[in-house]
Amino acid sequence: GENVEQHPSTLSVQEGDSAVIKCTYSDSASNYFPWYKQELGKRPQLIIDIRSNVGEKKDQRIAVTLNKTAKHFSLHITETQPEDSAVYFCAASPVLIWGAGTKLIIKP
Amino acid sequence: DTEVTQTPKHLVMGMTNKKSLKCEQHMGHRAMYWYKQKAKKPPELMFVYSYEKLSINESVPSRFSPECPNSSLLNLHLHALQPEDSALYLCASSKVADTQYFGPGTRLTVL
Repeated sequence: GENVEQHPSTLSVQEGDSAVIKCTYSDSASNYFPWYKQELGKRPQLIIDIRSNVGEKKDQRIAVTLNKTAKHFSLHITETQPEDSAVYFCAASPVLIWGAGTKLIIKP
Repeated sequence: DTEVTQTPKHLVMGMTNKKSLKCEQHMGHRAMYWYKQKAKKPPELMFVYSYEKLSINESVPSRFSPECPNSSLLNLHLHALQPEDSALYLCASSKVADTQYFGPGTRLTVL
């Protein structure tokens, strides 16, 4: 079945620097790749997503890239801020298979 | 309305109790989901309803029983749970095979 691997499990960056989280998937039929941010004790919230017919998508400081040939996609956050600290999950669909999560720590 | 709501926010129950979790959405979505999430882990899919019919049941123990009374409501009936069932239970909804939007969750503690 589908498997999604996510790295790193923890990422610590200086405020203002960029952060990159990477995911790989196994099912070539996967066609939708969302990224969720979850703060402690709260619900997962969609921050950006990408479909298999697009290679890159950007929304302000957040971007996602997709390489279908290599079966991997990445989340890029630029100019990180303290409120970016959270756990980030990648997923692949059509039935969402989730990565294990990345705890992002922004150091002041 | 772009929200998924869940009640109750917190629930403490004994192993012999029967309780229900409720989820509601008014976004016109025809797919609804139940997830279980343990601390520091991703959500685990339990059930998927599509057009009010159970379409995915991820080998969940029978002590969890889902119900979809109509396209806006989703219930999860709980009976004879174990302490290891303590977790955050999340409901989500979506257009079929599209972006999922999550409710705030019910924090369940089984004593």
